[in-house]
Amino acid sequence: AQTVTQSQPEMSVQEAETVTLSCTYDTSESDYYLFWYKQPPSRQMILVIRQEAYKQQNATENRFSVNFQKAAKSFSLKISDSQLGDAAMYFCAYRSAGPNDYKLSFGAGTTVTVRA
Amino acid sequence: DGGITQSPKYLFRKEGQNVTLSCEQNLNHDAMYWYRQDPGQGLRLIYYSQIVNDFQKGDIAEGYSVSREKKESFPLTVTSAQKNPTAFYLCASSTSGSFSTQYFGPGTRLLVL
Repeated sequence: AQTVTQSQPEMSVQEAETVTLSCTYDTSESDYYLFWYKQPPSRQMILVIRQEAYKQQNATENRFSVNFQKAAKSFSLKISDSQLGDAAMYFCAYRSAGPNDYKLSFGAGTTVTVRA
Repeated sequence: DGGITQSPKYLFRKEGQNVTLSCEQNLNHDAMYWYRQDPGQGLRLIYYSQIVNDFQKGDIAEGYSVSREKKESFPLTVTSAQKNPTAFYLCASSTSGSFSTQYFGPGTRLLVL
């Protein structure tokens, strides 16, 4: 399994402000996929955003955007205009682009707290 | 409603007992997965199946077994050989395309009595 590292166990952000979560990964592959999942207190895993490694353009989904630095093997998530509903645990995940290889490797997660 | 269902929501296991966690999907996905989540940790892959009647071990398969007799169902059995089964178990499914995304069920919390 590939190693995915999330170095921030916890992050706190004021409502309406911006927070950035870091993620680094270890791979020797040139083509792969990266994902951010959100796990709120209900524990339901929800896909937030995904990125294909061969695309240089950073993915964006509404208030969520990524900064993908392939050479640095870095994939950070930026949450803009933070809302109370953004409070959750966020997981970074890696998937190889190899044929018939759909397994995800997850980081340990970052807990985001939103202050009203 | 299309989605993934897991049952039960909570499950209690006695020492030496095998228990089975259910996972059903109506998304017509080819691939299904089982993950284990421990407190403060990410998800770890137990087993996965990319097609009916075929499955592979993940990173922590010892003490678990699965079957895939139907496309929509992928039950996980936690056997008595699993010495530390207390955890949150998540089932997921995906298409088999090149940029497939895994979608998750609501999870089952397993506790040992």
